[in-house]
Amino acid sequence: DSGVTQTPKHLITATGQRVTLRCSPRSGDLSVYWYQQSLDQGLQFLIQYYNGEERAKGNILERFSAQQFPDLHSELNLSSLELGDSALYFCASSVQRDRLDDGEQFFGPGTRLTVL
Amino acid sequence: DQQVKQNSPSLSVQEGRISILNCDYTNSMFDYFLWYKKYPAEGPTFLISISSIKDKNEDGRFTVFLNKSAKHLSLHIVPSQPGDSAVYFCAASGAGSYQLTFGKGTKLSVIP
Repeated sequence: DSGVTQTPKHLITATGQRVTLRCSPRSGDLSVYWYQQSLDQGLQFLIQYYNGEERAKGNILERFSAQQFPDLHSELNLSSLELGDSALYFCASSVQRDRLDDGEQFFGPGTRLTVL
Repeated sequence: DQQVKQNSPSLSVQEGRISILNCDYTNSMFDYFLWYKKYPAEGPTFLISISSIKDKNEDGRFTVFLNKSAKHLSLHIVPSQPGDSAVYFCAASGAGSYQLTFGKGTKLSVIP
């Protein structure tokens, strides 16, 4: 158990809908990262938040957005869903003290999103 | 453009022998490398990492080697055990960013 929790575990929805995925980082971790794993693809970085502020953006679609709340949990919002958005969405957290520290990220179990 | 490549989608090894998983990268700004193990229906689990100032890091049965000039790293597992059967991802970060760039993974099967 990494200490990172994600809900829901599974989500089935229709095209055009909007969903929210939730992540709670490990206790004490300030950074939250979101990744997408599609079929035949490795994990693709979407976005990072650090202590409530957006820190880095990857190949995140404009239809997707995220935020990190004062209690450090994060939500990933996916809107106008398309069939191709079906994927595993992982959240990870890290302490991110400084560059001399470990850069390891601890991953949650993921949310499997199916868009029909 | 894949910046981190794992060219072997799968690898089968006999129990007790050495497993060697390989990873190549193209971005010379990467300075921190990690290996993750992933079982089905679970998130990736951190295994071992190496900074670009080192060329080797060991943790129990797991050793990671880094060859910066070749932009190549490898993960050695000795001895391999059936419980090591999983998908292994190589990841890299650098240039002041903590975001990880992942390879597509290598599925390791350890045969009893």
